[in-house]
Amino acid sequence: QITLKESGPTLVKPTQTLTLTCTFSGFSLSTTGVGVGWIRQPPGKGLEWLALIYWDDDERHSPSLKSRLTITKDTSKRQVVLTMTNMDPVDTATYYCARNGGRGFDPWGQGTLVTVSS
Amino acid sequence: QSALTQPASVSGSPGQSITISCTGTSSDVGGYNFVSWYQQHPGKAPKLMIYDVSDRPSGVSNRFSGSKSGNTASLTISGLQAEDEADYYCSSYTRSNTWVFGGGTKLTVL
Repeated sequence: QITLKESGPTLVKPTQTLTLTCTFSGFSLSTTGVGVGWIRQPPGKGLEWLALIYWDDDERHSPSLKSRLTITKDTSKRQVVLTMTNMDPVDTATYYCARNGGRGFDPWGQGTLVTVSS
Repeated sequence: QSALTQPASVSGSPGQSITISCTGTSSDVGGYNFVSWYQQHPGKAPKLMIYDVSDRPSGVSNRFSGSKSGNTASLTISGLQAEDEADYYCSSYTRSNTWVFGGGTKLTVL
C-alpha cells in the first residue's frame, strides 16, 4: 500500500521560509520513472501544481514560483522536502504531496493547511 | 503557464450522463496524451480517476471515461449517482516539462 503524509508548520509569518516534508511508504524514489510532486489549494479555490522531483534527481518547478521553490529528496529516508521562500498571505493553502509514476498524481497525501499571517 | 479552462459548474440528475470539458493549448492538452482527471470531495484529498486521457486506474468505476479532441479533453460520467457529487479537476503535462491543472468544476447531482 502506497501512502504519503505531509508535515510542517501550520502557521508561518510573512517573509518567512516554509519547509514542508513529505514522508512516503510503499514505493521507492530510486525506481525509474517515479517522482513525487507538490500541489497546493488555497481555501475554497482550485489546485495549483508547484514542483516535482524524479528518481534521477531531475527537478521541475512551476514557472510562476520557480524563484521561490526548492525541492529535494532523501531516498533512504523516503522523504521529499519542499521549501518556499518569502511567504505571503496569498500562499495560505492546503499543501499536498503526491506520487507521480507517469500516470498522473496517485495517490495523494492527506494535505496540510499552512496559514501565512503575522 | 495558464491554468486549463474548465466550466465552473455542471449538474445532472441521477442516471443521466454529464461531460466536463478541459481546454488547453497545443503546448499542453493538445500536445501530449498525458491528461488526467481528479475527483475531490469536500475536505478530502483529490483522487485520480482517469490518466493518459482515457485510462482508468484499478478500482475506478467504468462509469467514468475520458477522451480528447485537439486541445480539449473531456470527462464523461454516465449513470450519475449521488456519490459522484464533487469537484473535478483536469491536469496535463506541458511542453515545458511541467504540469498544469484546470480551475475545477463543481458537479451537482440534482
